[in-house]
Parts: sequence; structure tokens; C-alpha cells
Amino acid sequence: QAGLTQPPSVSKGLRQTATLTCTGNSNNVGNQGAAWLQQHQGHPPKLLSYRNNNRPSGISERFSASRSGNTASLTITGLQPEDEADYYCSAWDSSLSAWVFGGGTKLTVL
Amino acid sequence: QVQLVQSGAEVKKPGSSVKVSCKASGGTFTSYAISWVRQAPGQGLEWMGGIIPLFGTANYAQKFQGRVTVTTDESTSTAYMELSSLRSEDTAVYYCARVGIVPAALSFDYWGQGTLVTVSS
Repeated sequence: QAGLTQPPSVSKGLRQTATLTCTGNSNNVGNQGAAWLQQHQGHPPKLLSYRNNNRPSGISERFSASRSGNTASLTITGLQPEDEADYYCSAWDSSLSAWVFGGGTKLTVL
Repeated sequence: QVQLVQSGAEVKKPGSSVKVSCKASGGTFTSYAISWVRQAPGQGLEWMGGIIPLFGTANYAQKFQGRVTVTTDESTSTAYMELSSLRSEDTAVYYCARVGIVPAALSFDYWGQGTLVTVSS
């Protein structure tokens, strides 16, 4: 089943800005937009944003999402040690009638 | 506060089946859908299938068609995922998650704690 494409890893320094990308196609990201999830080792994923840039209550404004065409992005400003985690994008694929996930990006905060 | 509480870890033999439960509380069970997502050791998230309790309609990822069955029991606000013909590659943590009835709605905002299923002879 086709998934979304994410870079395997990104490294940035403390207090810097990281931008993570997620590329799909017109049936998923380009259609319904993407959700972003954060997962720390040994814990369930946590929703950071949905439908491109809607943040659930309690999520820091340091996390912002956007979309351009078939590519979604998550920008994290003022990186903190606790931001070190795996980040996944997800979207509904209307041609597959299925949710698809990216392979995940491991963010390292130096 | 919405909570999804899953059943405990399982160890299964190859060729057998496993049934994982996901009990919801703190919300209206029929106002959203439940998806099942698994994560093999060191790997990413993989959607398996989902169900809309209001309609009892389920759909599955092509990869798992014929091997996975998702059901619900409205009387106990519990969703179930049964995976059959288990093989070692099915060893993973299985999560349930709340998703919107329509994909455009808020989805994946609540997750169960995960259930480790180990398939080993």
C-alpha cells in the first residue's frame, strides 16, 4: 500500500528551527491535507496538528504545519530537548479508502 | 476526558489468531470511528483498518484484507481487532485510535496505550 514519504532523520541545534516534510499525492496530502504526530520511545503517538494547521488544545504554538501541493510540512521553532522524538505524517487516501502514514522522521536536537 | 484502554500483552503461536480489545470512555462511542494501527519493533506506524460504530461499517488496508476483522460492542463501548493466520512478522505493538467519522474531521486525537503481540513458536 502506497505510503507518504518522509526523510528518515533531521538534526538541529537547541533553540533552532526544524522543518519536517511529508510528500504524498493528489489523492491524500494534496486532497485532505495531513496530520502530524509525535512519538517518544515507548509511548503512543500524540497528535500535533490535523488538516494541515489545526492544533488540538494543549499543543504548543511552536508547532505549526502547512501544505503546498502534495507536500505537507511541520515546522518546530525554538527546539527543546523534549522535542527529540519520531514524527509521523498521516493522511486519508481517497483512492485507497485508507489512512496512510509516512515512514517517520527521527528528529535529533543537538 | 476520552480514554481508550486496551487489553494486555499476548504471546501467540504462528498460525493462530489474536483478538485485542479497546474500551472507550469519556466520550460518545458512536460519534466517532476507531482505527487500528500497528508498529513493528523499530518500525513506523501502519494502518490496518477501522470501523464506524454508528454504522457498524468497517474497512481494511489492502495488505490485511481477509486476515483482519474489526468489530464493536456498543453496549460496552469496546472495539475489537482480530488478526488471524499469525506469523512472526506480525509481532508488533497494536494501537487503537479515535478518528473522525469523516476523514476531514479531527482524527488520531486519542490513542490506546498499545498492546504488544508477540508471535513465536
